[in-house]
Amino acid sequence: NAGVTQTPKFRILKIGQSMTLQCTQDMNHNYMYWYRQDPGMGLKLIYYSVGAGITDKGEVPNGYNVSRSTTEDFPLRLELAAPSQTSVYFCASSPRRQGGGTEAFFGQGTRLTVV
Amino acid sequence: AQSVTQPDIHITVSEGASLELRCNYSYGATPYLFWYVQSPGQGLQLLLKYFSGDTLVQGIKGFEAEFKRSQSSFNLRKPSVHWSDAAEYFCAVGAGYGQNFVFGPGTRLSVLP
Repeated sequence: NAGVTQTPKFRILKIGQSMTLQCTQDMNHNYMYWYRQDPGMGLKLIYYSVGAGITDKGEVPNGYNVSRSTTEDFPLRLELAAPSQTSVYFCASSPRRQGGGTEAFFGQGTRLTVV
Repeated sequence: AQSVTQPDIHITVSEGASLELRCNYSYGATPYLFWYVQSPGQGLQLLLKYFSGDTLVQGIKGFEAEFKRSQSSFNLRKPSVHWSDAAEYFCAVGAGYGQNFVFGPGTRLSVLP
């Protein structure tokens, strides 16, 4: 059972380059999330989606874009990479349950360095 | 808006000693509360969760946590720490549209042999 799969695991980008971080889940979860993790800051929500075709901004969306064309996939796009986007990125998903209260399942992360 | 604080950035304990990691949250309604653990270079793994009912919850790897509404706390405990418990621990609250999760800054646990 694969769960949440992120690719790539590592990437080095030059300033101004663009890239897409891929995320796919095979658990048929409605909700998906992108977080970034910086030392001592915990995880900050970038974007989230409550279902195919629906996305919304989180706490730190600037410089990023997302799409959700299918239930399984939730790619994160960096259009003009900046050094401030050096971070570890985590994709997560959670099921929708009546009354709420569900946990998030995380991928292994993508370590991105912008130089 | 909800928030989570973890007052201890780094804790060191000896193997076999007891452990308590503190977590305080801010949320206007009954929260859904979680503890996750992250080993170096890995993703986050759920240790335990509180949704409702018994305020003392048991998790994996011998961990437990107690929800105290009056103190807005959800502290994580383990009676005897193992060297393999060295990791970073995150407390989180889940609520709102899309079941968003807000994480604390994390507590790094080191274990002395």
